Amino acid sequence: AQSVTQLGSHVSVSEGALVLLRCNYSSSVPPYLFWYVQYPNQGLQLLLKYTSAATLVKGINGFEAEFKKSETSFHLTKPSAHMSDAAEYFCAVRGGGGATNKLIFGTGTLLAVQP
Amino acid sequence: DSGVTQTPKHLITATGQRVTLRCSPRSGDLSVYWYQQSLDQGLQFLIQYYNGEERAKGNILERFSAQQFPDLHSELNLSSLELGDSALYFCASSVEPTSGTGELFFGEGSRLTVL
Repeated sequence: AQSVTQLGSHVSVSEGALVLLRCNYSSSVPPYLFWYVQYPNQGLQLLLKYTSAATLVKGINGFEAEFKKSETSFHLTKPSAHMSDAAEYFCAVRGGGGATNKLIFGTGTLLAVQP
Repeated sequence: DSGVTQTPKHLITATGQRVTLRCSPRSGDLSVYWYQQSLDQGLQFLIQYYNGEERAKGNILERFSAQQFPDLHSELNLSSLELGDSALYFCASSVEPTSGTGELFFGEGSRLTVL
């Protein structure tokens, strides 16, 4: 069965510092992987997705993620944090085989950005 | 704006009561997914409908039921409510695996408070 594990439920960085949010996956088939962001009192918004086309995936708001099969990882990075990046970030893997697009989410990482 | 509409945004009710949450998917999307987000359980997949038929089932309680209507909107019915059912309920929609890369588009959620 597919699953994702997010390391670190809370991450705090200074404005302008590197953002690194960790995600490891488990999948019996080549995975489709996603990062979503949730701002306070809002729904989930797609940041980026990996669908086997390229291992380095660029998303919105300056975020990117690299798929590393050897490490079963899909970590999210941003070179320079901005105050507006403060939110909760969820890693997800498509689960259930070909008949469904249901996503299985990690437990989330709450990113705080300090001035 | 994801194009997915959920109503109501907030709902307060008492234990033992029944509520109905409504979701309208993005134009053209045939699949609707329901998720529950709570502090202790995180984001849990409940159920998926595709073009009116149940496609996948997750951790949905027997007190909960859902359906998708011919116009593709969906309703999630929660009955015999308990305090622990207080959560944010998200609806998401997507194209199907054979015609898309699997991303889900989320509504802004319905926040249910059971007193």
